[in-house]
Amino acid sequence: DAMVIQNPRYQVTQFGKPVTLSCSQTLNHNVMYWYQQKSSQAPKLLFHYYDKDFNNEADTPDNFQSRRPNTSFCFLDIRSPGLGDAAMYLCATSRDPSGTYNEQFFGPGTRLTVL
Amino acid sequence: GQNIDQPTEMTATEGAIVQINCTYQTSGFNGLFWYQQHAGEAPTFLSYNVLDGLEEKGRFSSFLSRSKGYSYLLLKELQMKDSASYLCAVLDSNYQLIWGAGTKLIIKP
Repeated sequence: DAMVIQNPRYQVTQFGKPVTLSCSQTLNHNVMYWYQQKSSQAPKLLFHYYDKDFNNEADTPDNFQSRRPNTSFCFLDIRSPGLGDAAMYLCATSRDPSGTYNEQFFGPGTRLTVL
Repeated sequence: GQNIDQPTEMTATEGAIVQINCTYQTSGFNGLFWYQQHAGEAPTFLSYNVLDGLEEKGRFSSFLSRSKGYSYLLLKELQMKDSASYLCAVLDSNYQLIWGAGTKLIIKP
């Protein structure tokens, strides 16, 4: 089945210790997104890629970086996690946000705990 | 600024009907989505409206009025498994999704 996969599902890291979250997709979608979602809040867009074109949201902290080495994979790097970075991190894809099929498909998320 | 408003929490009875409202003020409009999100899980797509009117899909229907900046999600014949958060999101002029904080729906037997 075509899908969006995130690994790991649960990640525990220590304050200040770099961590990388991964996302892969078999949908062959052009666009990939990284969201941060805290409890009872709306998902907050951190980055998105239209193909290899990288787009950084203006209020995304410098502590967060992203890589998309190819169409299928995307990574979220948190250089020095703080307690406030504990959240669910959601990866999503869409075929083309301006096209007819602009629905976003989400992976299961990675829940990050910072100790 | 851009803003999506929806009630924080609603309670309904199994078998009943519930309407979850969403109002929006965004920079442009390229469609409105409703997503369902169970606790600790990712959002899953429910509906997409870009033209005014009602879209029906089984027990779920979604309505849009662009002139009023208003949408609702109607859930019929409620089941316990419908207990979840329902998120309204608008695709703005830059094709960015602007999300509401979600409405937590509690279903009681």
